[in-house]
Amino acid sequence: ETGVTQSPTHLIKTRGQQVTLRCSSQSGHNTVSWYQQALGQGPQFIFQYYREEENGRGNFPPRFSGLQFPNYSSELNVNALELDDSALYLCASSPGQGPYNEQFFGPGTRLTVL
Amino acid sequence: DQQVKQNSPSLSVQEGRISILNCDYTNSMFDYFLWYKKYPAEGPTFLISISSIKDKNEDGRFTVFLNKSAKHLSLHIVPSQPGDSAVYFCAATPKGAQKLVFGQGTRLTINP
Repeated sequence: ETGVTQSPTHLIKTRGQQVTLRCSSQSGHNTVSWYQQALGQGPQFIFQYYREEENGRGNFPPRFSGLQFPNYSSELNVNALELDDSALYLCASSPGQGPYNEQFFGPGTRLTVL
Repeated sequence: DQQVKQNSPSLSVQEGRISILNCDYTNSMFDYFLWYKKYPAEGPTFLISISSIKDKNEDGRFTVFLNKSAKHLSLHIVPSQPGDSAVYFCAATPKGAQKLVFGQGTRLTINP
């Protein structure tokens, strides 16, 4: 059974650019959540997708957007990058929506904005 | 607005002893609490959870205690082993919501 994978591992961008991060969910999982982890902080919820629909959003501006595909893989897009967007971006998949479904995290994508 | 707080950034414990990690929360609407463990270059992995209707949950060496009146959660690891060295995150889920709200994490180091 393949776990949650994310690509790329590391990424360097400059302010104002756009970035797309990718996540492949674990087999059999239909729900994907994205989190941002700044240095020295805990992960912060960005949004969740369930069966290709956004199913909850945290306190992030609209320039953070996402997509979930029919195979339940997902993308996180960030437009107009700012220096504060530098962080580890974590994707988590679960077998269903709701807090009682264990979330399995990928290793993350480290984004650096210069 | 930090709703889940882990006030100890780090903790050092001798192998074989008990490790106690603490977490405080401010939101009374949290109804499910979890602990995650994170090794470098890996994503967080689920360790143990507790529903707000319980005050204790045990799984092997790991026990989570919930004190709702104090809005306090703790994780006990006994006996501590070198492989337990990691960053531990406390997390909570607001009732009816889909998200996890994480604390800042506590780095646990087990010394031989």
